[in-house]
Amino acid sequence: DAGITQSPRHKVTETGTPVTLRCHQTENHRYMYWYRQDPGHGLRLIHYSYGVKDTDKGEVSDGYSVSRSKTEDFLLTLESATSSQTSVYFCAISESAPSGRYFFGPGTRLTVL
Amino acid sequence: AQSVTQLGSHVSVSEGALVLLRCNYSSSVPPYLFWYVQYPNQGLQLLLKYTTGATLVKGINGFEAEFKKSETSFHLTKPSAHMSDAAEYFCAVSPSPGSSNTGKLIFGQGTTLQVKP
Repeated sequence: DAGITQSPRHKVTETGTPVTLRCHQTENHRYMYWYRQDPGHGLRLIHYSYGVKDTDKGEVSDGYSVSRSKTEDFLLTLESATSSQTSVYFCAISESAPSGRYFFGPGTRLTVL
Repeated sequence: AQSVTQLGSHVSVSEGALVLLRCNYSSSVPPYLFWYVQYPNQGLQLLLKYTTGATLVKGINGFEAEFKKSETSFHLTKPSAHMSDAAEYFCAVSPSPGSSNTGKLIFGQGTTLQVKP
């Protein structure tokens, strides 16, 4: 299995609070992605990164920001959490998009009350 | 824009029966195609992928899928279902080289496979 971890694995927070999720990889892969998974929607791309300090928006980026200051870390921040952001968040990495293999982290279950 | 449609959010089969999970995509050029499986409370695991070459792709756990360009389909099959196959399955596409989407995966809505004894 690829070395990819997510922290925290579970978090409960209140509406309006900031939340940061961390994705950490030990594979030195160039590409990193944040997805959210919701019933009936599959996985939807929030943001992605194609290198250190190189990021771009996905299809559901509103209310989220990201940062990548090191190859191994990709942070997802909810500046002011809302109940609609209750979801399971997955990080993924890939060495050579788009034909390369993608590896997914174990997920973070976030509940916003 | 690319999109993926998985027909049937729930599929139920008997143990030993054929498994067929349907996936259709929309794309102006043939994309790369993937099937992932997710077991309860776990992350996604790659079953198989098609990039180029042979259109019949074999994956892990006895699954296979066939890329049919004329039908824009990439259906997943397994000849004989096992109880351990019960999971959620996702079809995904990624642009082939030459486009500008930098390897983003676009997922279908998912299909939950139930296997009855």
